[in-house]
Amino acid sequence: EVQLVESGGGLVKPGGSLRLSCAASGFTFSSYSMNWVRQAPGKGVEWVSSISSSSTYIYHADSVKGRFTISRDNAKNSLYLQMNSLRAEDTAVYYCASGNTAMVTSLYWFWGRGTLVTVSS
Amino acid sequence: QSVLTQPPSASGTPGQRVTISCSGSSSTIGSNTVNWYQQLPGTAPKLLIYSNNQRPSGVPDRFSGSKSGTSASLAISGLQSEDEADYYCAAWADSLNGVVFGGGTKLTVL
Repeated sequence: EVQLVESGGGLVKPGGSLRLSCAASGFTFSSYSMNWVRQAPGKGVEWVSSISSSSTYIYHADSVKGRFTISRDNAKNSLYLQMNSLRAEDTAVYYCASGNTAMVTSLYWFWGRGTLVTVSS
Repeated sequence: QSVLTQPPSASGTPGQRVTISCSGSSSTIGSNTVNWYQQLPGTAPKLLIYSNNQRPSGVPDRFSGSKSGTSASLAISGLQSEDEADYYCAAWADSLNGVVFGGGTKLTVL
C-alpha cells in the first residue's frame, strides 16, 4: 500500500523558516517525480514545487521561487521542502504527492494527508 | 485568478448528469493533457481522471473526462450524494514552466 506521510508543519513567525518532510513507502520512490501542493484555509489547491526522480529537473511556483527549495533523498525514500522567509500568505496545508513517471507532470497519483503550516506573529 | 478557469459551483439532483468545464489556453490545455482531482470534505485531493479521459482503477465509470482544443470537461452521470465534493482540473503550463490548477468547482447534490 502506498503511503505518503508529511511532517514538519507548525506555527512560525513571519520571516522564519521551516522544513517539511514526506516519508514515502509502498512504491519504488526513486523511480517517480514528487511534488508539493498547498491549500490555504478555505481556498483551492495551488502547486508549489516539483522534482524529477533523479533531482535533475526542479520547478517552483513563482509565488515561492527564491524562498522555497524542494529536494529528495532516494536512499531514505524522503521528499523535503525547505521554506525560508515565510509570509502570512504561505499559511496552508501542504500536501506531498507522487507523480506517475520519472519526469514532472501535472498527474499526481497518490497524495499524503498534509501538514499544516501557520505563519503568524 | 487561476490560469485554468472553472465555474465556482455546480449542482444537480440524484441521478442527474452534471458537467464541469475547465478553460485554459494554447500553452496549457492546448498543448498538454488534463487531469482531474476530487476533494471530499476534510480530505486530501484524489486523482479522478488522468490524461484527459482515463479513469484510475476504482473510479466508477459514472465519471468521464474529455478535452477539445483549449478546454476540458468532467462529466458525472447518475449523480450520487457521495459525489458532493470540490473538483479541480490541472495541466502543465508551458509558459510558466510549472503546473497550474483550476480554481475548483464545488459540486452540491441537492
